[in-house]
Amino acid sequence: GENVEQHPSTLSVQEGDSAVIKCTYSDSASNYFPWYKQELGKRPQLIIDIRSNVGEKKDQRIAVTLNKTAKHFSLHITETQPEDSAVYFCAASYSSNTGKLIFGQGTTLQVKP
Amino acid sequence: AAGVIQSPRHLIKEKRETATLKCYPIPRHDTVYWYQQGPGQDPQFLISFYEKMQSDKGSIPDRFSAQQFSDYHSELNMSSLELGDSALYFCASSRGLAGVSYEQYFGPGTRLTVT
Repeated sequence: GENVEQHPSTLSVQEGDSAVIKCTYSDSASNYFPWYKQELGKRPQLIIDIRSNVGEKKDQRIAVTLNKTAKHFSLHITETQPEDSAVYFCAASYSSNTGKLIFGQGTTLQVKP
Repeated sequence: AAGVIQSPRHLIKEKRETATLKCYPIPRHDTVYWYQQGPGQDPQFLISFYEKMQSDKGSIPDRFSAQQFSDYHSELNMSSLELGDSALYFCASSRGLAGVSYEQYFGPGTRLTVT
């Protein structure tokens, strides 16, 4: 069925360190994988995404990698800052005809100054 | 840049009452998605519309219905409200479906509290 597993559920790092969040998906037909950052009580904010024909994408301190064979993708944040503290959700598009997103369970990232 | 607009931002209802949530997509976006997010949980897909037609349906209770109008705004109608319906309801919009554009941008959400 439609499922996205996300790990870890919580992650605490020191400012300046790197953070890695990993997700796996179940449907090999999924072809779009966005990452959202959500602060408490706020909307999910799209921070980066990757399509199935690309293995890696980078945007300043944020990068995403995709391994279609293994059906997993990861978010990498380098040089973390306190303002990176939030809940991060990965998602997979489970229907190429409708764009419906299935989300992972979320990772609470805490960056300690 | 214009964003997704949702109204109201907060709504308090009693059990068995009805509620209507509204969503105005980003200009030129023709696809609308509704998600429900409980406390500490991930967003759960409810329903979506493309060009005013329902395009997909998720875990939406039969007590809920939705539609997309000619100006592309969407409304989520919720009847016989239950305590468990208390949640954040997000609307997201995108420009087109597969092959055109996938990016979904979320609105600020409506916080529904059922007492």
